[in-house]
Amino acid sequence: NAGVTQTPKFQVLKTGQSMTLQCAQDMNHEYMSWYRQDPGMGLRLIHYSVGAGITDQGEVPNGYNVSRSTTEDFPLRLLSAAPSQTSVYFCASSYGTVSTGELFFGEGSRLTVL
Amino acid sequence: GENVEQHPSTLSVQEGDSAVIKCTYSDSASNYFPWYKQELGKRPQLIIDIRSNVGEKKDQRIAVTLNKTAKHFSLHITETQPEDSAVYFCAAKGGSEKLVFGKGMKLTVNP
Repeated sequence: NAGVTQTPKFQVLKTGQSMTLQCAQDMNHEYMSWYRQDPGMGLRLIHYSVGAGITDQGEVPNGYNVSRSTTEDFPLRLLSAAPSQTSVYFCASSYGTVSTGELFFGEGSRLTVL
Repeated sequence: GENVEQHPSTLSVQEGDSAVIKCTYSDSASNYFPWYKQELGKRPQLIIDIRSNVGEKKDQRIAVTLNKTAKHFSLHITETQPEDSAVYFCAAKGGSEKLVFGKGMKLTVNP
């Protein structure tokens, strides 16, 4: 099993550009989520999904869109990138609900917006 | 929504000492409290978790305690080793399927 795979690992964008961070898991996990990590701010939840076709907002959803058309994939879209979105982004998945057990994280995607 | 406060933000100990990290949460409906460890440049990984129907849980050198009345929970690491150096995050799950993390604590274990 590859676990949780994120692409790209690094990306530099200019303000106003759009992009999609890809996340795929091969563990048949129902729960998937996106976090951003900024220095001194911990991990903040952007969006999450409890299953295919179901998504919901986390703590910091503004500026980000998600969709969940399959169990395996949970892409994160930035429609118009801003410097405030410079961060490290982690995708994470869990079997069942978020309290069923371990949240498995991807390796992270470092995004810089100029 | 849920708010998780974590303190201290940094802690430096000598090898062999104990370390304690404390967290408080705001949502009285929260029922699941995991702890994650993130080594430098790596992804966070679960080290221990506790549910609201349990007051304490131990796994070798680490233990977690939960006080539901006071809405706080703590991570205890005994006999610290240099490989325990990392950032530790507490988290809490409230009534929704949101897992909210604290801001993290950087632990440095000096040989």
